[in-house]
Amino acid sequence: GQNIDQPTEMTATEGAIVQINCTYQTSGFNGLFWYQQHAGEAPTFLSYNVLDGLEEKGRFSSFLSRSKGYSYLLLKELQMKDSASYLCAVYGSGNTGKLIFGQGTTLQVKP
Amino acid sequence: SAVISQKPSRDICQRGTSLTIQCQVDSQVTMMFWYRQQPGQSLTLIATANQGSEATYESGFVIDKFPISRPNLTFSTLTVSNMSPEDSSIYLCSSLHTVSGREQFFGPGTRLTVL
Repeated sequence: GQNIDQPTEMTATEGAIVQINCTYQTSGFNGLFWYQQHAGEAPTFLSYNVLDGLEEKGRFSSFLSRSKGYSYLLLKELQMKDSASYLCAVYGSGNTGKLIFGQGTTLQVKP
Repeated sequence: SAVISQKPSRDICQRGTSLTIQCQVDSQVTMMFWYRQQPGQSLTLIATANQGSEATYESGFVIDKFPISRPNLTFSTLTVSNMSPEDSSIYLCSSLHTVSGREQFFGPGTRLTVL
C-alpha cells in the first residue's frame, strides 16, 4: 500500500529552527515534494527532491534519503508567518505525475 | 512559477444540483490534475485531466459523478454532479511543469458548500 507519515502538529519559537519529518512507503518512487499551506489558501510549492541529500533554498532546506524512505523539511530563523500546514507528497511509480499526500503537519510559531 | 486561476472561488449549492469548476493555467502544460481537500484533511487526487481523451480517475471517483473536460493544454473543467452535503470540500486544480526540474503548482481552490 501507500503510506506517508508526518507529525500532526508542531510548535516552535520565533527565530528558532524546526525540522518536520516525513516517512513514506510507496509502490515506486519518483520524487518528493514539500508544500506550505496557509489556512484557506492553496498549497504553495517549496521544494522537490529526487536524489539523496540536502537541497537548500534560503531559510528552507529539504533532505531526502531514498534508502530509508525518509525526508525532512528544515525551517531556519522562524517567523510568525511560517505558521502553516506543511505537506509532504510523493510521486509513486511510473511517470503519471500523480502526487500522494501525507496528512500534513500544522506548525505554530510562537513569539 | 505558473499562475493558475479557478472559477468560481466559492459557491453554495443545493442538494441534487451540479457545479462546473473552471481551471486556467497561464502556460501550456502536459499534465493537469484535480484534487479534493475536505475540511481539516490533506489533498486527495480525484483524476488526471488528459488533453484530447477521457480523464483517468482514482479509486473511489467515477466519471458520472465528476466529469472532466480538457479541451486544450491550458484549460480544464471539473463538474461535481448530483451534489450531496458530503461533496462539500475544496476542489483544487493542479498542473505539472517539467521545463526546469519538476514543479507542480496548485490553483487557489474552489470552496464548495452543499446544503
